[in-house]
Amino acid sequence: DAGITQSPRYKITETGRQVTLMCHQTWSHSYMFWYRQDLGHGLRLIYYSAAADITDKGEVPDGYVVSRSKTENFPLTLESATRSQTSVYFCATGQSYGYTFGSGTRLTVV
Amino acid sequence: AQSVSQHNHHVILSEAASLELGCNYSYGGTVNLFWYVQYPGQHLQLLLKYFSGDPLVKGIKGFEAEFIKSKFSFNLRKPSVQWSDTAEYFCAVSNRDDKIIFGKGTRLHILP
Repeated sequence: DAGITQSPRYKITETGRQVTLMCHQTWSHSYMFWYRQDLGHGLRLIYYSAAADITDKGEVPDGYVVSRSKTENFPLTLESATRSQTSVYFCATGQSYGYTFGSGTRLTVV
Repeated sequence: AQSVSQHNHHVILSEAASLELGCNYSYGGTVNLFWYVQYPGQHLQLLLKYFSGDPLVKGIKGFEAEFIKSKFSFNLRKPSVQWSDTAEYFCAVSNRDDKIIFGKGTRLHILP
């Protein structure tokens, strides 16, 4: 199906574990983004990518790693999860004319 | 740096009341403006957008927004809200060549 999909929808992990959130888009858009959403903070940009093999930090990149070997995929990895990374994570794609968001991943770090 | 300010963090209205959510941005150049809506438990969806032309923009579900360049504002309005409008609303801005910057959001709660 065309669109942007995230997986998993829900994830519970333990402190210190590595976890990867997946994002896949079928439009071949150049730009992809990762946001986290927390009460009182709105949306905060973690990382973004302008094209395959081009990534850049956003507002809150610490503790996260991204890669973009293929245009359609933009995984987000928490190398050693912490409780402060409990959040809802949204992937988005698009450009200055508008973004389309994935359905989100609700991550709980215990 | 670009920024977006939403005036109200939380708004509570009764059904049939009129709605206006304030949004101001700081950027001196040509901008694209957006309002996104996030219904409970869902992802952000585009409500309406302004690129150029008529500064009064009509979106889905009876929402509209007015771009006032001199005030750097893009306020969202709806004449008569419904319970189903309960959601979080995000104002956003981009210049023509850069990322979209989002406001912190306004939580709208409609009392039945």
